[in-house]
Amino acid sequence: SYELTQPPSVSVSPGQTASITCSGDKLGDKYAGWYQQKPGQSPVVVIYEDRKRPSGIPERFSGSNSGNTATLTISGTQAMDEADYFCQAWDSSTWVFGGGTKLTVL
Amino acid sequence: EVQLVESGGGLVQPGGSLRLSCAASGFTFSTYEMIWVRQAPGKGLEWVSYITTGGNTRYYADSVKGRFTISRDNAKNSLYLEVDSLRVEDTAVYYCARVYSGGSNQRAHFDYWGQGTLVTVSS
Repeated sequence: SYELTQPPSVSVSPGQTASITCSGDKLGDKYAGWYQQKPGQSPVVVIYEDRKRPSGIPERFSGSNSGNTATLTISGTQAMDEADYFCQAWDSSTWVFGGGTKLTVL
Repeated sequence: EVQLVESGGGLVQPGGSLRLSCAASGFTFSTYEMIWVRQAPGKGLEWVSYITTGGNTRYYADSVKGRFTISRDNAKNSLYLEVDSLRVEDTAVYYCARVYSGGSNQRAHFDYWGQGTLVTVSS
């Protein structure tokens, strides 16, 4: 079965750029999505189809996908961005999520 | 306003069954594919099941295949998940979510989520 691998945690200082990676076999040939989940809340999509932002998602969120790695980039990270982030892709009639990355803003 | 409201969770013994429901409002339910996703306590997201608009095509994660059944009633704007032969490892918050397909499942993402319903499997 297809697997997506994310680092368990990433730390960033306020105002700096945070990058969260998601690795999978030939992931660049698929479309990647990213979801933000804050404690006690439901997930929210922040990036879909590799690099598209839903309405209402700040421009500081961006995405890329090439080779075996998709990357979520948060520019000018704010304290409110502290959350768990999950990548997602479709493979062989199933959707797969990465294990999640806890972003700490300190 | 799009709303998805899950219900039906609870405490059940191993081997037991539940029927989870998801009431949809604020959009034309019959024109959207839908999914169930679960999250074990303190763990990540796990896709569980998918259903097309008319219910003709259904997919399941290997971990629930043969035990869970997804269905929908477009007249009632409702999505369901019958969960049978429950195991301790099925303990999780179960979310329903709307699929925005973008023309193919390859492009699809999940644009609205409910608040989830907790299923606890324990003796």
